[in-house]
Amino acid sequence: KQEVTQIPAALSVPEGENLVLNCSFTDSAIYNLQWFRQDPGKGLTSLLLIQSSQREQTSGRLNASLDKSSGRSTLYIAASQPGDSATYLCAAPGPSNTGKLIFGQGTTLQVKP
Amino acid sequence: NAGVMQNPRHLVRRRGQEARLRCSPMKGHSHVYWYRQLPEEGLKFMVYLQKENIIDESGMPKERFSAEFPKEGPSILRIQQVVRGDSAAYFCASSPYSRGSLNTGELFFGEGSRLTVL
Repeated sequence: KQEVTQIPAALSVPEGENLVLNCSFTDSAIYNLQWFRQDPGKGLTSLLLIQSSQREQTSGRLNASLDKSSGRSTLYIAASQPGDSATYLCAAPGPSNTGKLIFGQGTTLQVKP
Repeated sequence: NAGVMQNPRHLVRRRGQEARLRCSPMKGHSHVYWYRQLPEEGLKFMVYLQKENIIDESGMPKERFSAEFPKEGPSILRIQQVVRGDSAAYFCASSPYSRGSLNTGELFFGEGSRLTVL
């Protein structure tokens, strides 16, 4: 059974700081891992998808890494901005290769100007 | 190419009424997933459908909830005799994933339908 855990649950940082969000998963037999952003009252925006053959993916100020052997992924945000304030969700595939995702509880980030 | 479209965005129902939530996947996507997000909780998988087939409904409550994805038209999540505990955001996601092949694709989510039961 796949379980996904994210720490910390909440994070508040001053603008400009670099930060790391952590995600761990129990079943390392995954074929990808996806990071999402959710703004209050909104849907999910896909940020980065890392395939199992990759160790990291980058998009702008975001960098996500994947270490299957340790069951961990990190999302690194460089030079944080107030507009980055949101909840960040990590999701790993569930069993049976049906494509369904198991989500962590999320990390709620506040970047203060 | 429009994204995943969900409607209504907001729905208010009284206890005992029925709620119908609709989801049109992205063009070219034939796989639909429904998730529920209860207040202050994470997203929980409910059901996975392909056209005219329910593939995985392991996350669906046993009673009052049903889902379909007909050959023509949107996927529908139906909640009968709603109770206050059904109040949540219901998200639909789609994927171009081909059954039988290794899934390496992303899921694309809609904006959600927020159900409030009075």
